[in-house]
Amino acid sequence: QSALTQPASVSGSPGQSITISCTGTSSDVGGYNFVSWYQQHPDKAPKLMIYDVSNRPSGVSNRFSGSKSGNTASLTISGLQAEDEAEYYCSSHTRTSTVIFGGGTRLTVL
Amino acid sequence: QVQLQESGPGLVRPSETLSLTCTVSGGSISSYNWNWIRQPAGKGLEWIGRIYTSGRTNYNPSLKSRATLSVDTSRNQFFLRLTSVTAADTAVYYCARDRSSGFYWGQGSLVTVSS
Repeated sequence: QSALTQPASVSGSPGQSITISCTGTSSDVGGYNFVSWYQQHPDKAPKLMIYDVSNRPSGVSNRFSGSKSGNTASLTISGLQAEDEAEYYCSSHTRTSTVIFGGGTRLTVL
Repeated sequence: QVQLQESGPGLVRPSETLSLTCTVSGGSISSYNWNWIRQPAGKGLEWIGRIYTSGRTNYNPSLKSRATLSVDTSRNQFFLRLTSVTAADTAVYYCARDRSSGFYWGQGSLVTVSS
């Protein structure tokens, strides 16, 4: 199973909005509403930001939102803040009931 | 609030078996599905496998049957065994609980494979 495709890096200025894409196939992202997103700061464990495409766990800022169209899922962060600078990963359930991750996207807040 | 803590040897010799424990506190291990995920230094995340509340397991096929997950409900712990390790298995290993399609993560445990 191949990793999901994410851009290596994105950047934005404070207050702006950015979107990170996560592209898979009809056997994973496109076939199920089981895409999640994680934020990882250096030397820290990943933190769940979005699950089931667009649901936010309790305590996650509503500046984070998720969506999906076809085989591509997206994470949008609005009102960018310095603390949002981190690595972001997507994951998806697959048709063989395994989980695959994207390669990660480095977000830089300018 | 359910918390997870990984434990185990930080150094394993090549060809030997890596064994890790995840201790669950603040909730019953019988209530959730549990996962192991790893991350080599400077690289991305790799899902290793899941054990369901039913006891059924599912694994990443790339590990070629080297991984085994198990649970001890009396101790509120679950385990990872990875056989025939090589340097490529050096990574931070995370235990994680399902939150629908997402994961809540432990702090991680660094395992180095070296002679």
